[in-house]
This record gives sequence, C-alpha cells and structure tokens, in this order.
Amino acid sequence: AQSVTQLGSHVSVSEGALVLLRCNYSSSVPPYLFWYVQYPNQGLQLLLKYTSAATLVKGINGFEAEFKKSETSFHLTKPSAHMSDAAEYFCAVSAISGQNFVFGPGTRLSVLP
Amino acid sequence: DTGVSQDPRHKITKRGQNVTFRCDPISEHNRLYWYRQTLGQGPEFLTYFQNEAQLEKSRLLSDRFSAERPKGSFSTLEIQRTEQGDSAMYLCASSLGAIGNTEAFFGQGTRLTVV
Repeated sequence: AQSVTQLGSHVSVSEGALVLLRCNYSSSVPPYLFWYVQYPNQGLQLLLKYTSAATLVKGINGFEAEFKKSETSFHLTKPSAHMSDAAEYFCAVSAISGQNFVFGPGTRLSVLP
Repeated sequence: DTGVSQDPRHKITKRGQNVTFRCDPISEHNRLYWYRQTLGQGPEFLTYFQNEAQLEKSRLLSDRFSAERPKGSFSTLEIQRTEQGDSAMYLCASSLGAIGNTEAFFGQGTRLTVV
C-alpha cells in the first residue's frame, strides 16, 4: 500500500524567494511519484513525474523535484517564486505497476509581494 | 478534443435526491478514473475503468454510488439518496495506458452541494 505525507499545509514565500514543498512517501513497491498543481475551482495539472529514470526531474513553470530513495522523499523546489505560483500543490504516488494515484493532503502556497 | 470534460460543473441537491455526473475523457484514452476531493484535502480514489471494464473500486464507494462506462467512452457517476457528507468536488481523469506510465489528465470537476 502507498501513502503520502506533505509537511506544512500552508507555505508562504516572498516573490523571488526559493520555494520548497515537502513530500514523503511510503510504498511497498518501487513507486512512481508526481506533483500536481490545482488553481481555485480548477482540476489538477501535472507539474512533473518521476518514473525511475533520472532522480532529478524538471517540470513545467521552472519547478523541479529530486527523488531520494534513502529519505523516501520527493520534495518540490523552484528557485524564484512568482505571484502566479500561488496555488494548491499535491504530491501523489502510484505503484510502478500503474494503478490509481494516492494523493497527499496538499500544500497551499502563498506568494507575497 | 481539448481535454477531459465534466458536466455539470456545479450541482446543488436536496438530501435524499439522486444525482448523476458525466465525464467525457480524452478520446483515445482507455483509462478513466473518478476521485472525490473535500475541502482542504487531497483527491481520494473512488474507482477506475479500463475501456468499459470497472477494474477497481475503493471502499469509499458505498452501495449508494455507482459508476458506468458504456462502450468505453464517457462515464457516469451516480449517487443515490444523497447525504450531506457527499458534498465534495468529484474529479474525473483519463490516461492512455497505465496511470503510472503516462500523464493523467484531470477535468475541472463537478462540485456537489447537498443541502
């Protein structure tokens, strides 16, 4: 069985500052890992995914995440926050056999001017 | 076809009434998923289809919930005898092949309010 924890339900950063959103997973099998973003009243959009290739994954909008097996982590980073990054971010895990996603509870990112 | 389409976007219903939601996936996608999202929470898996076959159902999916995907195209999710606890955003997603292998595309969701 898979599970995901996201430390910090709400993160605030200043515009131009580093964004770090934390994700830790639990999986009994090698996982696929994902970060999704959700804007208000919208569906989820894929930011990036890890599928057992490179451990450092680059995604859209300048985001990247690093898979660390020893720490069971997949933290999301962006060097410089932009106002348009304000949204809800969800980390998700899927068994490598490819069934459904298990989502974390989400982290709301606020970007302050 | 520009994405996954869900209808309606919003539904307000009285407790005890039945409601039905529709999802139209991206046309070539063989997998279709339903998730439920309550305020401040991540999406919770409900069920998924590969073509017309319903392959997995969550224990969250009580007997009042039923989903269909006739002919492996659009899907419907019906909730009978709605309860206030059913109030949530219902999200549909589709993918080509296994969800772990390819990107899943989500619709904008149907927000259900049970009064």
